[in-house]
Amino acid sequence: GQQVMQIPQYQHVQEGEDFTTYCNSSTTLSNIQWYKQRPGGHPVFLIQLVKSGEVKKQKRLTFQFGEAKKNSSLHITATQTTDVGTYFCAVTGGFKTIFGAGTRLFVKA
Amino acid sequence: SQTIHQWPATLVQPVGSPLSLECTVEGTSNPNLYWYRQAAGRGLQLLFYSVGIGQISSEVPQNLSASRPQDRQFILSSKKLLLSDSGFYLCACKQGGGVETQYFGPGTRLLVL
Repeated sequence: GQQVMQIPQYQHVQEGEDFTTYCNSSTTLSNIQWYKQRPGGHPVFLIQLVKSGEVKKQKRLTFQFGEAKKNSSLHITATQTTDVGTYFCAVTGGFKTIFGAGTRLFVKA
Repeated sequence: SQTIHQWPATLVQPVGSPLSLECTVEGTSNPNLYWYRQAAGRGLQLLFYSVGIGQISSEVPQNLSASRPQDRQFILSSKKLLLSDSGFYLCACKQGGGVETQYFGPGTRLLVL
């Protein structure tokens, strides 16, 4: 079945540093979504990318879909303590949504 | 927009006891419904999904089962819990029709002792 590899598994940053998580697939994706899960909470939808090479921004978050639609990235500029949590990429296959393993972000004030 | 209710929020159960977790959805009709389990610090494991009343697809063979008695009700059950059933159980829904966004409920934390 369809799988996505997400790296890194976790990352520690100093507040103000940038952060990037990557999602890779061996097959061409129709779309990719990104979710954020705060510690103790449930995943919350952030964004969906559909077009090849698409770039979308939400304040300090930049989402990118690769030209070949096989990879995606989420970049956070100047992290803040409110950014802590786990970031998941997800791809759809039929009725199912397959989630990456997630990247857990720790931000030190 | 959709609202998903799950209860209970936390649950401590002895090994061998039965389980019933309920999920209800508001604000949508004919949704696709999903049960995920998340171990501490880990990713989301898809357990079951349903595209309609009475229709259940199982992703992982185990001692859990799911049922969908009504359009917006999804139940996760077990006759006899195992220690390995401990985890964070999340119910999610997706509208379908090309809309891929999944909305998650608040989850149930289950500890089997």
